[in-house]
Order: sequence, then C-alpha cells, then structure tokens
Amino acid sequence: LAKTTQPISMDSYEGQEVNITCSHNNIATNDYITWYQQFPSQGPRFIIQGYKTKVTNEVASLFIPADRKSSTLSLPRVSLSDTAVYYCLVDRRGGKLIFGQGTELSVKP
Amino acid sequence: DGGITQSPKYLFRKEGQNVTLSCEQNLNHDAMYWYRQDPGQGLRLIYYSQIVNDFQKGDIAEGYSVSREKKESFPLTVTSAQKNPTAFYLCASRSGTSVGDTQYFGPGTRLTVL
Repeated sequence: LAKTTQPISMDSYEGQEVNITCSHNNIATNDYITWYQQFPSQGPRFIIQGYKTKVTNEVASLFIPADRKSSTLSLPRVSLSDTAVYYCLVDRRGGKLIFGQGTELSVKP
Repeated sequence: DGGITQSPKYLFRKEGQNVTLSCEQNLNHDAMYWYRQDPGQGLRLIYYSQIVNDFQKGDIAEGYSVSREKKESFPLTVTSAQKNPTAFYLCASRSGTSVGDTQYFGPGTRLTVL
C-alpha cells in the first residue's frame, strides 16, 4: 500500500488558513486520498476524500495535482478547536488503510 | 443513533490475564477493523473482517484473536501472549471495501495492564 509522508507538526494562529501537504509517491491508479482528524483519546474522524483536482466540503478543501503524488489539506480560518492530529491516507480497494504518524496541528490564540 | 460503540472506555487487567474488548455497530456495515494506537504514534492494524465468519490478520496480529459471528459485532481478545498490551484500541467499520467507502471509528478503549 502506498506510504504517505507528512510533516510531524505545524503551528498556526486563530483565523489563519492552514495547509498540510502529504506526499504519496507510489499511489496507484485506483487509489483515493483520505484525510482524518483525531483529538486526544478519541477515534479518528473522517474529514475529506478525493481522487483528483479539488474537493471541498463544509470543513476543508483537498487539492490534488494532476500527477496525484501529493495532496494538500486546506483548513480555512482555523480556531483553537482545530488543534488535533491530521492523518493522510491512501485508500486502496480491499479496505485496508495504513495510517502514518500524522501531523500534529497546534492552533494558538 | 447509528454508530459504533466500544466498551468499556477504560479497562484495567493484571498481567497474564486474557481480556476481551467489545465493538458493536448498527450501521449495517460489512467490514470491521481493529487498530492499536500507542502514545504519539499512528494507528496500526491488528485484524480486519470483510464479511461475517471471515477475518484476516493485519500488521500486528500476534497476541490477539478475533471472531465475527454476527455482522454487527467484532470482539477483540488480547491474550497473555501479547507482550505489550497497554494501549488505546480503536474499532472501525466500513460499508464495503471499495475505494471511496469511508471508515468510521468508535470512541476507543484504553487498556492498561498492571
């Protein structure tokens, strides 16, 4: 399964836009890219999923370039409650997801 | 409410004892998963089941066992053979195994072995 690489940690301030980039060089043709958010001592929560170009929902946007070897999760105007760990995963047919270490986002006042 | 329940939230056991963690879902999902999370780490797959009465080992299955007798239930037994059982255990389910099917997680069980 395609391995993902993302920054270990990021800092931001309230009201700023945060972009977290993930690389997945070995992504296969049929793979999807999925992002999850996890708060301490809770299960991960699905944020967004995409295949190519741009996907937007009520909480985030996902940008995927044409070669699909990377993706960027964009969180608009973050607040303190967005402080969490964000995981990028490659989702392949068969249902097995591989989680990396994730990116620990810290939002400051 | 539809969702995944795990019980208990906190569990304490003495070393050498087997312990079973419960996972129930009422989402009518076919696939269910068990993950382990250690402090500061990502999730690692223990076992998964794509259909009733069938399951496969994940990346760290040694010392664990599962059963899938009912679609809605996927209990995990942590046996005395698991050398470092203290961890946060997460159960998840998914409607299918096609790409694009979202995986939903339960609230987790924190197991501490004394």
